[in-house]
Amino acid sequence: DTAVSQTPKYLVTQMGNDKSIKCEQNLGHDTMYWYKQDSKKFLKIMFSYNNKELIINETVPNRFSPKSPDKAHLNLHINSLELGDSAVYFCASSQDVLNTGELFFGEGSRLTVL
Amino acid sequence: DQQVKQNSPSLSVQEGRISILNCDYTNSMFDYFLWYKKYPAEGPTFLISISSIKDKNEDGRFTVFLNKSAKHLSLHIVPSQPGDSAVYFCAASGGTSYGKLTFGQGTILTVHP
Repeated sequence: DTAVSQTPKYLVTQMGNDKSIKCEQNLGHDTMYWYKQDSKKFLKIMFSYNNKELIINETVPNRFSPKSPDKAHLNLHINSLELGDSAVYFCASSQDVLNTGELFFGEGSRLTVL
Repeated sequence: DQQVKQNSPSLSVQEGRISILNCDYTNSMFDYFLWYKKYPAEGPTFLISISSIKDKNEDGRFTVFLNKSAKHLSLHIVPSQPGDSAVYFCAASGGTSYGKLTFGQGTILTVHP
């Protein structure tokens, strides 16, 4: 029973398209995140939500719009995709706002923009 | 500006020997440090952590050492096993980075039988 699941796992699309990645956690956690792993392999935070409220927005272009319909879901919508958006996107959750630092990650969604 | 760096992209070790993975950070406000392990096509999983009030934390075969004056931490795996082969990420939080983890770029560990 997957704790943090994200779909799709692979996404290949053309520049200019709009796409979404969905994430769900069944751990009962209050906080969810989106991280991006770029070509240099660094994992960088994009957004975090606590109980459906945005608490971190890490200077991400406004083409990226997260949406949290409830605390178990955090979706990522990307408009007007660019080549540089190609990356692996990881969803994660934590019990609260990172007091202990332990995040639970999904398997990642590899986005390729052609 | 990368505040957490893992300068060794890869490390190869014989089974049964010690693996030492290193991590350096620049932000003196970081007060909590973690190691994550990642297998291919999976998300990172938490391995071990250490608070800045300690200099060592041990969990079975895994020990993390923190040297605050040098802004350096290391992960020791003894004895190394082939199943330990994975990418290891160092991460830190605290100060203005409260509420988020800042990750290094990872070190690929290969343990040979």
